[in-house]
Amino acid sequence: GAGVSQSPSNKVTEKGKDVELRCDPISGHTALYWYRQSLGQGLEFLIYFQGNSAPDKSGLPSDRFSAERTGGSVSTLTIQRTQQEDSAVYLCASSKNRGGLETQYFGPGTRLLVL
Amino acid sequence: DQQVKQNSPSLSVQEGRISILNCDYTNSMFDYFLWYKKYPAEGPTFLISISSIKDKNEDGRFTVFLNKSAKHLSLHIVPSQPGDSAVYFCAASLITGNQFYFGTGTSLTVIP
Repeated sequence: GAGVSQSPSNKVTEKGKDVELRCDPISGHTALYWYRQSLGQGLEFLIYFQGNSAPDKSGLPSDRFSAERTGGSVSTLTIQRTQQEDSAVYLCASSKNRGGLETQYFGPGTRLLVL
Repeated sequence: DQQVKQNSPSLSVQEGRISILNCDYTNSMFDYFLWYKKYPAEGPTFLISISSIKDKNEDGRFTVFLNKSAKHLSLHIVPSQPGDSAVYFCAASLITGNQFYFGTGTSLTVIP
């Protein structure tokens, strides 16, 4: 019974480069969520997937951010032309079905640092 | 604009005493509130929740109190144990929504 896994655990990149963050949800979980926590901020909702579709993308901060999910499983969050303000911990969570926050299981996060 | 605020970034409590973590919110439409606990290098884990129809929810050593008029909730841990040392986040949402708003967290240290 593996939990939610994320890779890489840490990523250092230069401003202007693209990065891809990966999330492997718990097997069988249809709902997947991305959040980020910037320094001194609370967790900020980014995007929600139900299966492969994303009914709620409202949290993505700019068009440099995109996410996809394939096969109803793995998801990747891509940040293009990274900026220093993108530095944050990016958390992924999954839940069996669409449900409340308490049903979500979080991964350990990817710590992104943009120099 | 932080809709959920935890104004105390850290708290230290002696083992066996009560820990009280506070959280304030600005949106009176929020009707569902949660507390999460996070250890270093791990994701947050759900601790306890409360809906706006209640003012108290208890689960073992953990009790959450909700004061809707003051837009304030608190988490009480009694008695506090060293294993409770972690960062605690409160979160709020509309029960019909997918979006959740988190506070910035309070780091609790329970001193043996």
